[in-house]
Amino acid sequence: RKEVEQDPGPFNVPEGATVAFNCTYSNSASQSFFWYRQDCRKEPKLLMSVYSSGNEDGRFTAQLNRASQYISLLIRDSKLSDSATYLCVVKRGYQKVTFGTGTKLQVIP
Amino acid sequence: GAVVSQHPSWVICKSGTSVKIECRSLDFQATTMFWYRQFPKQSLMLMATSNEGSKATYEQGVEKDKFLINHASLTLSTLTVTSAHPEDSSFYICSASPQNTEAFFGQGTRLTVV
Repeated sequence: RKEVEQDPGPFNVPEGATVAFNCTYSNSASQSFFWYRQDCRKEPKLLMSVYSSGNEDGRFTAQLNRASQYISLLIRDSKLSDSATYLCVVKRGYQKVTFGTGTKLQVIP
Repeated sequence: GAVVSQHPSWVICKSGTSVKIECRSLDFQATTMFWYRQFPKQSLMLMATSNEGSKATYEQGVEKDKFLINHASLTLSTLTVTSAHPEDSSFYICSASPQNTEAFFGQGTRLTVV
């Protein structure tokens, strides 16, 4: 079983839709959680950190469920510019960083 | 915020030659750096973990003699693709992470072997 698992998609959604991604992790010792965004042929960039209490940044909401070992990302009112691959990242210890394979989102006009 | 710089951003080389890619942490020390490879329309794949002052740890299926990693200082890791062939053409990215923060990526190196 992979340490971090994501549905690769693609998720094809119309503009304005709400879309949610989930990511599961297997190691209960994982300490920090993040969502990254990767555009085609570019390096991944941090979208947001994920906290146990849940956090929101504009149209984006991230949540962590430690008991079930999953994190989620909700995007409301999808824009064309949201089209990208979204990577779930789990960090354990000082620098042990594990990436999911990414979920591809395509927002359609 | 922390910055990771990768160089070169792109390189074209002849088959059989070697290519060195550098990854630097500019404002923090990184005892560990990660090297990834990404083929078109595929996800990031971890190749190896670079450890300062010791041998790199390679993922299964990655040839350590072909992808030489050197992490001689706390701010620099290098990946050398030896005897490159067209099938090595890919997007190579490094990352490093200061303690208790997210991971930062280099800009990536697009390697084309002709």
